[in-house]
Amino acid sequence: GENVEQHPSTLSVQEGDSAVIKCTYSDSASNYFPWYKQELGKRPQLIIDIRSNVGEKKDQRIAVTLNKTAKHFSLHITETQPEDSAVYFCAAMDNNAGNMLTFGGGTRLMVKP
Amino acid sequence: DAGVIQSPRHEVTEMGQEVTLRCKPISGHDYLFWYRQTMMRGLELLIYFNNNVPIDDSGMPEDRFSAKMPNASFSTLKIQPSEPRDSAVYFCASSPAEVGLGQMSFEAFFGQGTRLTVV
Repeated sequence: GENVEQHPSTLSVQEGDSAVIKCTYSDSASNYFPWYKQELGKRPQLIIDIRSNVGEKKDQRIAVTLNKTAKHFSLHITETQPEDSAVYFCAAMDNNAGNMLTFGGGTRLMVKP
Repeated sequence: DAGVIQSPRHEVTEMGQEVTLRCKPISGHDYLFWYRQTMMRGLELLIYFNNNVPIDDSGMPEDRFSAKMPNASFSTLKIQPSEPRDSAVYFCASSPAEVGLGQMSFEAFFGQGTRLTVV
């Protein structure tokens, strides 16, 4: 089955700096890679996703890159703000084998004002 | 749509008691997932259903856990008997299989979760 590794487990940045979170996956058949943000005491919510036919996707201050050859993908947050503080989860899925997401272990991002 | 609805939001029970968690997925979604979240193990998939049929229950920790989906709008996760190590936040999520001609959306929408404490 799929295995997703996520690094780092905690990340502390100064407001305005960039933050990068990296994930690797094991199943070369995976073709969908979402990122979820979970604020304290809340549910995980999708913030951005990328499919295997695309190498990069941007949405305002967040971007995701995918390297299928190396089987890794990354989340980039620019101009971080205190409200970006949360736990971020990457995930991977092979949609030809059902919609089952395998999540990474999560990264706790702290943005210091 | 009100989103995925879970009940109860909080449950405190004594060891050995039966616990039933409930979930109403988003109408029209084909997939329903049960996840367990703990500090130590992160987000673990317990079981998922496609069109009310259980597809993969390999994440269910042991026979004390069971899940059902009697119809497209309701699912339960039952723990009997409960143990202190079952204490966690249990999330239900649903997702559509396909949205529109040629477009696929796999976003999983999570409920608010049930915080279970077994004492």
